[in-house]
Amino acid sequence: DVVMTQSPLSLPVTLGQPASISCRSSQSLVYSDGNTYLNWFQQRPGQSPRRLIYKVSNRDSGVPDRFSGSGSGTDFTLKISRVEAEDVGVYYCMQGTHWSGYTFGQGTKLEIK
Amino acid sequence: QVQLVQSGAEVKKPGASVKVSCKASGYTFTSYGISWVRQAPGQGLEWMGWISAYNGNTNYAQKLQGRVTMTTDTSTSTAYMELRSLRSDDTAVYYCARDGPRWSPSGPGMDVWGQGTTVTVSS
Repeated sequence: DVVMTQSPLSLPVTLGQPASISCRSSQSLVYSDGNTYLNWFQQRPGQSPRRLIYKVSNRDSGVPDRFSGSGSGTDFTLKISRVEAEDVGVYYCMQGTHWSGYTFGQGTKLEIK
Repeated sequence: QVQLVQSGAEVKKPGASVKVSCKASGYTFTSYGISWVRQAPGQGLEWMGWISAYNGNTNYAQKLQGRVTMTTDTSTSTAYMELRSLRSDDTAVYYCARDGPRWSPSGPGMDVWGQGTTVTVSS
C-alpha cells in the first residue's frame, strides 16, 4: 500500500497568519495518464469531511481562494494564506492514483493559537 | 442539490453483521462510483472500498476483504455497505461519498459526503 505521511500533526496558528501542511507519499502519485490524483480534505469538528483540492492544485467549487495546493511526484503542500476561525479542524491528504486502494494521511489538526 | 443521505445509527453485538444504506439524489447515480470511508472514535479516515454504480465493479481495502460487501440498487439510487463478523474495533462512523471516475475533470476522489452513520459494536 502507498503510505501517506503528513506533517506537522498539530498546527497552532494565529488568526490572519499563514499555515502550511506537508504530505509525502511512499510512491510517486503520477498516474499513467500523466495526472496526479492527490486530494486534500477538511473535517471541521463534528462534521463530515469536505474536499478542498483535487489533482494537487485544483480548488473545489465554493472553496475560498486562501486555500492552495502544490507539489509533484511524492511531495505535496496545502497552504492557507490567512487563517480564519472557520478553518479550525483536521486536514487530510489522500491519494487516488494507486488502484490497490486510496490511502489517507494521518491528519493535521489546525487550531487557533 | 446533490446529496447523500445515510441510514441511522446501529448498535450490534460482536460477530453480528451491519448493513448501512446511502441514498443519492440530485445527480445521475450511474455516472459515479461510491466510496465508503470509516472513522473510529478520535482517529483518522480509513478508506474501506469503492463500487461503480454503473456496473457494480468493486475494489475493497485488503484488510476488509472477505468481511465487506458493497452493492447498489440503481432503481432507487441507493448504495449499501455490509460488514460481517463485527468486532469492537469496527466501532466507527461510516461515511459514503460520491467518487468521480478517473476520466472525470476532478478524477478519483470524494466530492460529496453523506452525514455519517455511527455503528457501535458492544456486547
